[in-house]
Amino acid sequence: GESVGLHLPTLSVQEGDNSIINCAYSNSASDYFIWYKQESGKGPQFIIDIRSNMDKRQGQRVTVLLNKTVKHLSLQIAATQPGDSAVYFCAASISSGSARQLTFGSGTQLTVLP
Amino acid sequence: DAGVTQSPTHLIKTRGQQVTLRCSPKSGHDTVSWYQQALGQGPQFIFQYYEEEERQRGNFPDRFSGHQFPNYSSELNVNALLLGDSALYLCASSLLTTSSGNTIYFGEGSWLTVV
Repeated sequence: GESVGLHLPTLSVQEGDNSIINCAYSNSASDYFIWYKQESGKGPQFIIDIRSNMDKRQGQRVTVLLNKTVKHLSLQIAATQPGDSAVYFCAASISSGSARQLTFGSGTQLTVLP
Repeated sequence: DAGVTQSPTHLIKTRGQQVTLRCSPKSGHDTVSWYQQALGQGPQFIFQYYEEEERQRGNFPDRFSGHQFPNYSSELNVNALLLGDSALYLCASSLLTTSSGNTIYFGEGSWLTVV
């Protein structure tokens, strides 16, 4: 199976600074990874994904880095804004035939300080 | 383009009762997965449906069952409710194919409280 863990349950950053949220996974067969943002009372919102044939992917103000050697991925948020305050989850997936299930970590609560 | 929609948003049930939760996948998606999210934890995979069949199942008892309809919508049923079933139930939709670009989107969830 797979297990996913985040390095820090909470992270506080100053508005305008960059944020880095780290995640580790256990199964080297995991080949697809997604970061989600979850605000209080809402469902997980897709941020960015990356497949195992890549080591970096960039979106709008976000970058995901994947290090398969040490089974680690990170989410970098540039110029963090108050609206970025939320719980962030990384999820890993192994393709089983054509079906795919996500294994989530426990989440990192990001707080943006004014 | 509608995203993943779930109903009801909130409900309260008594121990021993049964509940049915509903999900309509994102337009163009054919696969629905259900997750349970307890307070303060990450979502846990319950099962996945494609072509009206259960394709994969997580570590959940048989009290949890589901169904997928020809229009790809899905239901999650939980029988003999326990207090520990209180959680946010999330529906996720995707395309079955694992080709690049097919990601997994979640609905806002159904909050179930068992008293």
